[in-house]
Amino acid sequence: DAGVIQSPRHEVTEMGQEVTLRCKPISGHNSLFWYRQTMMRGLELLIYFNNNVPIDDSGMPEDRFSAKMPNASFSTLKIQPSEPRDSAVYFCASSLRTSGGLDTQYFGPGTRLTVL
Amino acid sequence: AQSVTQLDSQVPVFEEAPVELRCNYSSSVSVYLFWYVQYPNQGLQLLLKYLSGSTLVKGINGFEAEFNKSQTSFHLRKPSVHISDTAEYFCAVSEWQGAQKLVFGQGTRLTINP
Repeated sequence: DAGVIQSPRHEVTEMGQEVTLRCKPISGHNSLFWYRQTMMRGLELLIYFNNNVPIDDSGMPEDRFSAKMPNASFSTLKIQPSEPRDSAVYFCASSLRTSGGLDTQYFGPGTRLTVL
Repeated sequence: AQSVTQLDSQVPVFEEAPVELRCNYSSSVSVYLFWYVQYPNQGLQLLLKYLSGSTLVKGINGFEAEFNKSQTSFHLRKPSVHISDTAEYFCAVSEWQGAQKLVFGQGTRLTINP
């Protein structure tokens, strides 16, 4: 089975440009997570969705960041306008949420974003 | 709120030697505990998880971890490492009872020398 798919794998852009990162979760999973990894702050949860509905976006750094999940098989994370401090690796993860409450998250390979 | 402290940022070890990667957590409620591994230029992969029951948890690739509630620790061990174990290892915690948010430690870079 295919794992979590992210695109692009690498993105280099200039400050002020709009950046869109994409994620396709594992088929059948009903929860999706966006993380950011930097040397300074480590791995941070930005936002997560259950059944396509955003549940907690408290980790989204500011209004320049937005995330959508229009259907169960696709999500986007958009940064507009981008800034150099947004440079990081962005991971998407998905899981199957069960009634027991514990779900293992499966991570994609990440998108390495560089903002010049 | 939970927090995780990985006590060593880097651990160099010779091949076939044992290794222990240390993790301490802080939480006011009961938690689930995880270890993930990240190989270079890849995403995170689950090594093992502690839910309840036996405090010794066995995972993939010969790793195991022991939950110690009194010391709020969840150290990862392997009796004999291989070059292929070179990677970054992350300890993570999530709340019991329905919470889905994972809080990660800063990671420990394990380097295996021949």
